[in-house]
Amino acid sequence: QSALTQPASVSGSPGQSIIISCTGSTTDVGAYNYVSWYQQHPGKAPKLMIYDVNKRPSGVSNRFSGSKSGNTASLTISGLQAEDDADYYCSSYTNSLSWVFGGGTKLTVL
Amino acid sequence: QVQLQESGPGLVKPSETLSLTCSVSGGSINSHDWGWIRQPPGKGLEWIVNVFKSGNTDYNLSLQSRLTTSIDTSRNQFFLQLRSVTAADTAIYYCARYEERGFDYWGQGTLVTVSS
Repeated sequence: QSALTQPASVSGSPGQSIIISCTGSTTDVGAYNYVSWYQQHPGKAPKLMIYDVNKRPSGVSNRFSGSKSGNTASLTISGLQAEDDADYYCSSYTNSLSWVFGGGTKLTVL
Repeated sequence: QVQLQESGPGLVKPSETLSLTCSVSGGSINSHDWGWIRQPPGKGLEWIVNVFKSGNTDYNLSLQSRLTTSIDTSRNQFFLQLRSVTAADTAIYYCARYEERGFDYWGQGTLVTVSS
C-alpha cells in the first residue's frame, strides 16, 4: 500500500486560512469516508484532529475542518495561530483492511 | 483519562526480535481496540497493526509475516513482537487507542535502534 500524497510544506500568516491536501486512490481515500488527520509537534506524539473525514474529537478547535472529494481529502485550518505550527499527517482506511498514512506536511506559521 | 506507556529495549541487534509492551491506565484494555504505529527518525508515520477487543487483528501487509501481537488483560497490557529486524526497523514506536476509526490516545513513544 503506497503512502498518501501530501505537500511537503505549507505556510501562512496568523489569522489566515490554509488547506493541506491528501491524495490517495480508489482503494483508500476514494473508497471510504474513513480519513483522519493528526497534528504532531516536534518530539511529541501525534494528536488526532479529525476523523471520519470531517468529525472533530472533543476538545479540538473548530478552526480545524476536514473534507473530501473523490480521491483527495483536505484539512483546512482557519484563523491560523502560532501554536498550529506543526507537522500534519492524513490517514485513510484501505480495502486491504489496513491503514495508510500520508508523508506529512510541515505547516509554518509565518 | 486514558494513558499509555511503551516500554522495551532501546537497542536490538540485526536479525533478532524487537519486543515492546504497552501499559494502559485509566481504562480497561478489554473495552477498546488498540494499535501500534512507528516513525523512523525524521520521517513520517507508518501504521503497523490494530488489535481488536474481539480478538481479531489487522496487519500492515508488508510487516505481517514478521509480526506477533498479544494482550494480557490481567495486567492491562498489550504487546508487539517484530522478528528478523534490520536497520530499516529503527524507529520511534507508539502504541495508541483505536477509537471511532482514529487513534485518539497515544503513548509518548519509545525509540528502538537496530544496530550491532
